[in-house]
Amino acid sequence: GDSVTQMEGPVTLSEEAFLTINCTYTATGYPSLFWYVQYPGEGLQLLLKATKADDKGSNKGFEATYRKETTSFHLEKGSVQVSDSAVYFCALEYYGGSQGNLIFGKGTKLSVKP
Amino acid sequence: DSGVTQTPKHLITATGQRVTLRCSPRSGDLSVYWYQQSLDQGLQFLIQYYNGEERAKGNILERFSAQQFPDLHSELNLSSLELGDSALYFCASSLNRENTIYFGEGSWLTVV
Repeated sequence: GDSVTQMEGPVTLSEEAFLTINCTYTATGYPSLFWYVQYPGEGLQLLLKATKADDKGSNKGFEATYRKETTSFHLEKGSVQVSDSAVYFCALEYYGGSQGNLIFGKGTKLSVKP
Repeated sequence: DSGVTQTPKHLITATGQRVTLRCSPRSGDLSVYWYQQSLDQGLQFLIQYYNGEERAKGNILERFSAQQFPDLHSELNLSSLELGDSALYFCASSLNRENTIYFGEGSWLTVV
């Protein structure tokens, strides 16, 4: 079945460092891909999304490009801040059949130190 | 604020008991989803409703049930609770399945 694999954390970076969180997926169709973020004590927030191959999603300095050839959707940010400390989830949404639900990776915890 | 409202925010109950979690979707959204987040299983899709009808089922136990009412709010009923049911339960909503899904802040359930 469809699945999402993302790099295990925790990831600890210094402020202004470059961030990459790897995400790969397995799907039989052409899913939409998402990154969600969960700040401490809060719910999930949509960070960015891409709906087709080669699309780039971006928000708050974060970017991810939908790579069909490598089935990947890696999250990047050029300069992280302490306020970016959170858990990041990669997810896919497949519209085949009657499903429209999200399949999540296990999450990657990011800690940014001043 | 996503616009999805969940109550209660925290709930502590004993094994064997039954609880109901409530969700009000964003204004205008017809689809409601329930997810469970636990330490061992991660984030798992439980069930989806669209305009009152069940649309998709994920890893939902038979002890759990849900429904969506005519005013589009939804309830997740958990019965014969076990320690392993302790988790954060999220509700999410979208206009329809082609639109972005927005999550509520979750209901923390602790079974003791």
